[in-house]
Amino acid sequence: DAKTTQPPSMDCAEGRAANLPCNHSTISGNEYVYWYRQIHSQGPQYIIHGLKNNETNEMASLIITEDRKSSTLILPHATLRDTAVYYCIVNGGYQKVTFGTGTKLQVIP
Amino acid sequence: GAGVSQTPSNKVTEKGKYVELRCDPISGHTALYWYRQSLGQGPEFLIYFQGTGAADDSGLPNDRFFAVRPEGSVSTLKIQRTERGDSAVYLCASSPTRNSETQYFGPGTRLLVL
Repeated sequence: DAKTTQPPSMDCAEGRAANLPCNHSTISGNEYVYWYRQIHSQGPQYIIHGLKNNETNEMASLIITEDRKSSTLILPHATLRDTAVYYCIVNGGYQKVTFGTGTKLQVIP
Repeated sequence: GAGVSQTPSNKVTEKGKYVELRCDPISGHTALYWYRQSLGQGPEFLIYFQGTGAADDSGLPNDRFFAVRPEGSVSTLKIQRTERGDSAVYLCASSPTRNSETQYFGPGTRLLVL
């Protein structure tokens, strides 16, 4: 029972912003939206998370819609090293985390 | 500081054999998780430890799989009578507290059962 829906793949030109969408229409009030990414042959890496408000850190920005049913991860200036699978997860504190299949982002030179 | 480490990085075994996979979490992290990842899929939850106890083992696929964390630090995932379908990358993650949702992952152990 997937909690999130993401496009299977996206391309982005190097240096441009990468906008990765995620739908989580059944999110409940105490669940956060998390983003992880997994570069080939490595373990997943935490990127960012948020509850209601938009968040920004050194890696990315997270935009959450007012109804919280969807969100967008923004990599402002994509580089080749950002090529990875990006996972959007909803989680309300500790729960069995379900990763889904994510979005495979290919950054093109 | 040191991240999560896992050993071995690769393990090849024969069907029916017993294997142990080790995870060294980040020092001081009380929560530890095991996941399994098959090719082209996202990580699949197996078990979660809070301290020494398994707080949630509902993801273990069957009784051939077992995990321990006797001193609340290092954890070992044990697989008995391995089957070819057990071939996957086994990932370990840790987090500072029970309610810390950010998990820090190790590089994984690639298990191949012939």
